[in-house]
Amino acid sequence: DAGITQSPRYKITETGRQVTLMCHQTWSHSYMFWYRQDLGHGLRLIYYSAAADITDKGEVPDGYVVSRSKTENFPLTLESATRSQTSVYFCASSGTYSEQYFGPGTRLTVT
Amino acid sequence: SQKIEQNSEALNIQEGKTATLTCNYTNYSPAYLQWYRQDPGRGPVFLLLIRENEKEKRKERLKVTFDTTLKQSLFHITASQPADSATYLCALVKYSGGGADGLTFGKGTHLIIQP
Repeated sequence: DAGITQSPRYKITETGRQVTLMCHQTWSHSYMFWYRQDLGHGLRLIYYSAAADITDKGEVPDGYVVSRSKTENFPLTLESATRSQTSVYFCASSGTYSEQYFGPGTRLTVT
Repeated sequence: SQKIEQNSEALNIQEGKTATLTCNYTNYSPAYLQWYRQDPGRGPVFLLLIRENEKEKRKERLKVTFDTTLKQSLFHITASQPADSATYLCALVKYSGGGADGLTFGKGTHLIIQP
């Protein structure tokens, strides 16, 4: 199916564990993005990528790592999860850095 | 510092009336501005994009204006329906010498259309 998917949709993990959130898009869009959404803060950009092997920091990159070896995948890794990283994470893609198409989100809880 | 401000309080509108949402920004010189809709438990959905050299953009019952002098965008939904109830987000993209500098979202306005 065409579109953008995220997995898992829900995840509970413990403090200090490594967690990877997956994002896959089938449009061959050049740009991909990771956001987190928290009450009181709205959507905040974590990292983005303009193409395979090109990534750049957003507003809140600390504690996160990204990679993009293939155009269609953009995984986000929390190397050592903290409770402050409890959030809803959205992946998005865009063909021209204009309108963005969002995935369904991953709800992550760090205990 | 750069800020994007949207009405934090919910906006209640009677069905059939025009809903008007506001997005104000400071310390930006955006190349263009976008509006998204977000329903509970879902990702944002793109609605409209307006460029800095455009004053107004329309799509069906939606209209967006962009005033770079006032640093403000207005988002209108005419003939509003209960199905239009959602949170609406504005987002700005700006460019620097190195290219796109990122997309920044406002916190959104929760719109409630009452039958």
